[in-house]
Amino acid sequence: EVQLVESGGGLKEPGGSLRLSCTASGLSLSNSAVNWVRQAPGKGLKWVASISITGTNEDYADSVKGRFTISRDTSDNIIYLQMTSLRADDTALYYCAKSRRAPDAFDLWGRGTMVTVSS
Amino acid sequence: YEVTQPRSVSVSPGQTASISCSGHKLGDKYVSWYQQRPGQSPVLVIFQDVKRPSGIPERFSGSNSGNTATLTISETQAMDEGDYYCQAWDTTPNWVFGGGTTLTVL
Repeated sequence: EVQLVESGGGLKEPGGSLRLSCTASGLSLSNSAVNWVRQAPGKGLKWVASISITGTNEDYADSVKGRFTISRDTSDNIIYLQMTSLRADDTALYYCAKSRRAPDAFDLWGRGTMVTVSS
Repeated sequence: YEVTQPRSVSVSPGQTASISCSGHKLGDKYVSWYQQRPGQSPVLVIFQDVKRPSGIPERFSGSNSGNTATLTISETQAMDEGDYYCQAWDTTPNWVFGGGTTLTVL
């Protein structure tokens, strides 16, 4: 089965760090840009970060720039999101989503991993 | 850049539902639409304004012109209930989602 599986979420205090992983099975991510999208409880979708096919280009939403880092391990077919200086408003379900080849849309999403930032 | 959607849309079973997405010169950008059923992950239903991924019923269609993109669902069924998000690309921020529209079939 083709799927993306996120892991690494949990409860962290403000100021803490966390690393999320997105593991692909049944497909290779080496030919796709990959993105992280988050959804706060009861709220809408918010784009967080993207990484290009080669891993040389990274883009971030203003709200996480300088605190989050997206990276990829092509050999292990895994995308990471390193999160530092966590804040309460980072609390959300974090989805990994693969871009179409174009890349003009996200054509495969994982089930998400929950991050809760609270003291 | 921002795109705006109505908070909710209601439709009777078998009728046509239309969900709008508005933004400055949105017609100059590619728009995608995602369906998110309660408790599930988003699913791509329209990309490049009008195209359907494989497996998406023909009942789903899209258009985009001027400042407004529209997702149209014909012969609406109970299984179509959920939240729908439009998405566009712009230089800053990179990807923009609308606030989401809750479709109720009643």
